[in-house]
Amino acid sequence: QQPVQSPQAVILREGEDAVINCSSSKALYSVHWYRQKHGEAPVFLMILLKGGEQKGHDKISASFNEKKQQSSLYLTASQLSYSGTYFCGTIYRGTYKYIFGTGTRLKVLA
Amino acid sequence: NAGVTQTPKFQVLKTGQSMTLQCAQDMNHEYMSWYRQDPGMGLRLIHYSVGAGITDQGEVPNGYNVSRSTTEDFPLRLLSAAPSQTSVYFCASAEGANYGYTFGSGTRLTVV
Repeated sequence: QQPVQSPQAVILREGEDAVINCSSSKALYSVHWYRQKHGEAPVFLMILLKGGEQKGHDKISASFNEKKQQSSLYLTASQLSYSGTYFCGTIYRGTYKYIFGTGTRLKVLA
Repeated sequence: NAGVTQTPKFQVLKTGQSMTLQCAQDMNHEYMSWYRQDPGMGLRLIHYSVGAGITDQGEVPNGYNVSRSTTEDFPLRLLSAAPSQTSVYFCASAEGANYGYTFGSGTRLTVV
């Protein structure tokens, strides 16, 4: 029932770009993105609202396609500090449960 | 600004023991949730609350109880600890439905 993220894992070299997808079978109010570094708590990155509005954070941006119930996270010119696990988070319409996607492990190599 | 404070940071329990994980936030957030994260896994919702006096079950509520008597506090009670409850527990809060969550630093629980 949780949103499915793809890919499950990705390895990049510094400076390369990556795209992480979050897909839901249910209607979403909005989508949020988080990054969790090893041994730490998740940290909120950004919110995506209906209408495809993008909110950026440094060289990280995202989009939200309401029709497809899918959000994508774009990491441009990746840095070593981008390494971690990325989660999308959302509330399904009609509930107040805030749930997270399956997660994507990203590792950036020097 | 303390944000979300969880105590204790580490705990070892014997099977069958009960305990309460504490969570407090000082941001006046209405929404609070408890998650567990097993090694290499994602975050699974245990219980959540949308305001003082209002709680509901998440995806994996069995073996856990919660209460929300104040806006600030949202304790999680383990009724009779089992080895399957060994995990890292995170408490998180948000201003409302369309806001991102702020997480506490987590409680690492081991049940032997």
